[in-house]
Amino acid sequence: EAGVAQSPRYKIIEKRQSVAFWCNPISGHATLYWYQQILGQGPKLLIQFQNNGVVDDSQLPKDRFSAERLKGVDSTLKIQPAKLEDSAVYLCASSSGPLSYEQYFGPGTRLTVT
Amino acid sequence: AQSVTQLGSHVSVSEGALVLLRCNYSSSVPPYLFWYVQYPNQGLQLLLKYTSAATLVKGINGFEAEFKKSETSFHLTKPSAHMSDAAEYFCAVSADSGTYKYIFGTGTRLKVLA
Repeated sequence: EAGVAQSPRYKIIEKRQSVAFWCNPISGHATLYWYQQILGQGPKLLIQFQNNGVVDDSQLPKDRFSAERLKGVDSTLKIQPAKLEDSAVYLCASSSGPLSYEQYFGPGTRLTVT
Repeated sequence: AQSVTQLGSHVSVSEGALVLLRCNYSSSVPPYLFWYVQYPNQGLQLLLKYTSAATLVKGINGFEAEFKKSETSFHLTKPSAHMSDAAEYFCAVSADSGTYKYIFGTGTRLKVLA
């Protein structure tokens, strides 16, 4: 079974530029999560999708971050414009449903904002 | 609301010695608890999980954890450390609050000394 795929693995941008990350969850997994992991901290949930609908985006900085999962499969997370404090690893995870307590994580995208 | 506290951001043990990583949780409802491991430049891999069955949970790579409700703890142990155990370890709590959202601790970096 293929795992959660993410791209790119690394990205370096200047502040005020925009960037997008892509995630393809495990086949058949209805729930998809985006986490932000700042160096030295645990992952923090940014947004949770159930199929193509948003379940929880309470910690997503909506003035600069956006995410979509149009067909209920893969997802894109965008930052526009980026700030220095957005430097982090962005992790995507998926689970078979919102009441499935086990999440499977992708390798992450390491973003550096200079 | 749920929260997780991991005591000790860095732990060093000698190869062959006991590994003990501490995790305390707070939850107003019966929790599910997880330990994940993260190797450099990789995503999170599930080590073990507690889902209200047996309180002593065995995971991969010789790790185990015991759920102690009276102490609100879920400490991770391994009898004999191996060099390959060097990584960052995260404890997470999840509970039935509509969705099983994860709350992660800040992580413990384990160093294994030869």
